[in-house]
Amino acid sequence: QVQLVESGGGVVQPGRSLRLSCAASGFIFSNSGMHWVRQAPGKGLEWVAVTSFDGSNTYYADFVKGRFTISRDSSKNTLYLQMNSLKPQDTAVYYCAKGRGFCAGSSCPLEGHWGQGTLVSVSS
Amino acid sequence: DIQMTQSPSSLSASVGDRVTITCQASQDIGHYVSWWQQKPGKAPKLLIYDASTLETGVPSRISGRGSGTDFTFTISGLQPDDIATYYCQQSANLLITFGQGTRLAIK
Repeated sequence: QVQLVESGGGVVQPGRSLRLSCAASGFIFSNSGMHWVRQAPGKGLEWVAVTSFDGSNTYYADFVKGRFTISRDSSKNTLYLQMNSLKPQDTAVYYCAKGRGFCAGSSCPLEGHWGQGTLVSVSS
Repeated sequence: DIQMTQSPSSLSASVGDRVTITCQASQDIGHYVSWWQQKPGKAPKLLIYDASTLETGVPSRISGRGSGTDFTFTISGLQPDDIATYYCQQSANLLITFGQGTRLAIK
């Protein structure tokens, strides 16, 4: 069965960096687009970024553009989110989620396969 | 970016009631809407995709409809296990957006 397991969260000071990982199993990772979605404490869901099946196309929400980078390593079946210049408002649970299909075109719907989330807390 | 305006933000209903949540998109998004259920401390669960297609295992008392800019999500015969927050979400393009959420409580 599809399994997604995030790691790498923790407490970090404003302006510092953190890299999240998402280990995927149970499906052909190299054939699937992948997303990051976050949720601040007590708030709603917020989409962060998407990558196509091969990492050649990536898109970001405006509030992370230029600071965050989504990438993937198909040899390790792992998705990453490099987060730089972190701000207190980036504090959230970060989820990785599987996209529907290769996601090489104009859309990449979210499937129902999500990880359990990893908490990132940005505080001095 | 496409905005999704979801209403109401909260609602309280009795067991057995019919409950409806609406979502309006800021532009035509065809049928590219999904509906999600989230319980505290858990990842969201996909209920409906492509506006009206039930995800495998989701009971048929849950339904969705709509196209273009106006979408509805309905629970027919509310059950105690339905207590959760519900979100609409569009995927008409690569910049996905969610509605603000509807917190559902049992009276």
